[in-house]
Amino acid sequence: QQQVKQSPQSLIVQKGGISIINCAYENTAFDYFPWYQQFPGKGPALLIAIRPDVSEKKEGRFTISFNKSAKQFSLHIMDSQPGDSATYFCAARGRNQAGTALIFGKGTTLSVSS
Amino acid sequence: DTGVSQNPRHKITKRGQNVTFRCDPISEHNRLYWYRQTLGQGPEFLTYFQNEAQLEKSRLLSDRFSAERPKGSFSTLEIQRTEQGDSAMYLCASSRDRQDSYNSPLHFGNGTRLTVT
Repeated sequence: QQQVKQSPQSLIVQKGGISIINCAYENTAFDYFPWYQQFPGKGPALLIAIRPDVSEKKEGRFTISFNKSAKQFSLHIMDSQPGDSATYFCAARGRNQAGTALIFGKGTTLSVSS
Repeated sequence: DTGVSQNPRHKITKRGQNVTFRCDPISEHNRLYWYRQTLGQGPEFLTYFQNEAQLEKSRLLSDRFSAERPKGSFSTLEIQRTEQGDSAMYLCASSRDRQDSYNSPLHFGNGTRLTVT
C-alpha cells in the first residue's frame, strides 16, 4: 500500500528551465512533508520541508507548493542546473508523530542537460 | 557534526551467510532509524530506536533481521541466512528527540550496499 505517490518517474529539463515534481498522499494524518535529494552512491539529504499551515515555502531556487484540500504537494526547481541532476524523493509523516516512520515516494530521476 | 557513519560501504556475501552492518549516528541524536532501498525505489522503513529502546518495527523486518542499539549509541543490523532478495542498500538515519517532525529532520548516512550471490 503506497501512501505517497510521486510523479513523474523521470524528468529531463534543459539548463535554466523549471523542474516540477508532484506528490499526492492519502493519509490525512500526514502533517509534515519534506523533500530529499539523493546523488548516486550517497544517502538522501534533506532539501526542503513544509508545514501544511502554509501553501508555499521557498529556499533559494527550490519551492514547495502545498494544496491541503487536494492532498498534493510539489517541488519546483527554478533555473535548473546540471548539478541538480539527482533523484528526488517526497516524503510524509504525522507532524506530531516524530517517532513513526517517514514514508517516501518512489522517486524522480532528474537530468538537467547543458 | 561528522554526519551519520555506516560501515561497511559494500558487502558481498553468499546466500545463507550472516551479515552485520554498523551505524554510528550523529552524536547528539537520540533517535535512530534503519531503512532499506532497492534500485529505483524510495527508502522503506525497517525499524526505529529511541535511545536503546526499539520502538517500532516494519512488517518488512522478517525474523531473519535483528537490530540492536546497546547503550543508545551505535546500532547494528544483522541479517541471518541471507537470501538474494535481501540485496539492497541499507540506510541508517538519525534525528534529534523532538516531538515536532519539522524540528527533528532525518539525517541519512551513505548506506551499506549488500549483494547476495
